[in-house]
Amino acid sequence: AQKITQTQPGMFVQEKEAVTLDCTYDTSDPSYGLFWYKQPSSGEMIFLIYQGSYDQQNATEGRYSLNFQKARKSANLVISASQLGDSAMYFCAMRTQGGSEKLVFGKGTKLTVNP
Amino acid sequence: DTGVSQDPRHKITKRGQNVTFRCDPISEHNRLYWYRQTLGQGPEFLTYFQNEAQLEKSRLLSDRFSAERPKGSFSTLEIQRTEQGDSAMYLCASSLPPYIANSYNEQFFGPGTRLTVL
Repeated sequence: AQKITQTQPGMFVQEKEAVTLDCTYDTSDPSYGLFWYKQPSSGEMIFLIYQGSYDQQNATEGRYSLNFQKARKSANLVISASQLGDSAMYFCAMRTQGGSEKLVFGKGTKLTVNP
Repeated sequence: DTGVSQDPRHKITKRGQNVTFRCDPISEHNRLYWYRQTLGQGPEFLTYFQNEAQLEKSRLLSDRFSAERPKGSFSTLEIQRTEQGDSAMYLCASSLPPYIANSYNEQFFGPGTRLTVL
């Protein structure tokens, strides 16, 4: 069974600084996909970045990058140059393979960006 | 380009009442998912449709829960005889079929329906 672990319930960062949000995963499937979603207080889940298990390079999307360490089964999200609008819950998720391809989520990390 | 919409956004009901939620996915998406998110947790998968067929249900989906997607477009989630433990955010998501999607094939989420059972 797939499992996602996010060990940081809350993180604080100063505006314009970088922050790393941790995510470890467990799966026996050789093929999988890892996602990060942002959930502002409004509730909607916003897709940020994706990493496939066979991707050779770490994914990047603007200020977001994913530090993918396959041997350690970790997929940490790095947000550079934090902005006040980055304050939100952040969820790491794994997509199951075959069938529904449903997402399995971690418990999330609440990020607060201080001015 | 409209995203996933859900209605209502908030629902307060008394224990024992029935409630129904609606989800309208992105028009070209044939896959539709329902998730439940309780306070302090990440979303948990409830059920999945491909077109009008309900192909997977979680053990979380007790017999009081039923979901439909009659014409392969919008979907409804009904909870009968609500209990206080049903209080949660109910999220709907949709995605393209894998054969025409990019490698991401991310799920697009709606704003959710927050249910409070008194």
